[in-house]
Amino acid sequence: GAVVSQHPSRVICKSGTSVKIECRSLDFQATTMFWYRQFPKKSLMLMATSNEGSKATYEQGVEKDKFLINHASLTLSTLTVTSAHPEDSSFYICSANPGPTAFFGQGTRLTVV
Amino acid sequence: DAKTTQPTSMDCAEGRAANLPCNHSTISGNEYVYWYRQIHSQGPQYIIHGLKNNETNEMASLIITEDRKSSTLILPHATLRDTAVYYCIVRVADNYGQNFVFGPGTRLSVLP
Repeated sequence: GAVVSQHPSRVICKSGTSVKIECRSLDFQATTMFWYRQFPKKSLMLMATSNEGSKATYEQGVEKDKFLINHASLTLSTLTVTSAHPEDSSFYICSANPGPTAFFGQGTRLTVV
Repeated sequence: DAKTTQPTSMDCAEGRAANLPCNHSTISGNEYVYWYRQIHSQGPQYIIHGLKNNETNEMASLIITEDRKSSTLILPHATLRDTAVYYCIVRVADNYGQNFVFGPGTRLSVLP
């Protein structure tokens, strides 16, 4: 099946710094990508929809200035967590739908210390 | 998208078939049943999907009742590596611009 690659798989950063997570579609073009957040023992929650060449669409309650999304090409979307706080520590996952099925990245475990 | 109901958790003995049920009584005629699984600290993995006919692939079989109000995912010979959270999702297949909505899923533990 299609491959979505996410990088890094885990990152530790200090409070107040920013961290960028990359999501790449390796063998297809993705005009739309999705970013999810997952807390321990909870299900995936959609944060935002990333649209190539236009602004991302954020879900209610997600701060767009804190979670910056850039979808500059048909194969790359990035999520930047700005001014990170310990409560931003979570598992972040991206996905894309090259067809009727969705394919997901490996996830990024973010720990803010 | 129609809502689904799954048991919170299930156990299965290694080597036996794992049968994971899903209720979707409000499914619409053009909605497919999808199954994904998520192994700990990984992204979800696609397993199988179907509309009304039973489907089988190298990973699993999907049995959909005639009225389409419920389905069962069957892992024919469960291994320890099948321990994961299994998500049943109902959605229109050609809605490529729409995200997949995940419920709590079923936590399957395959026991040695």
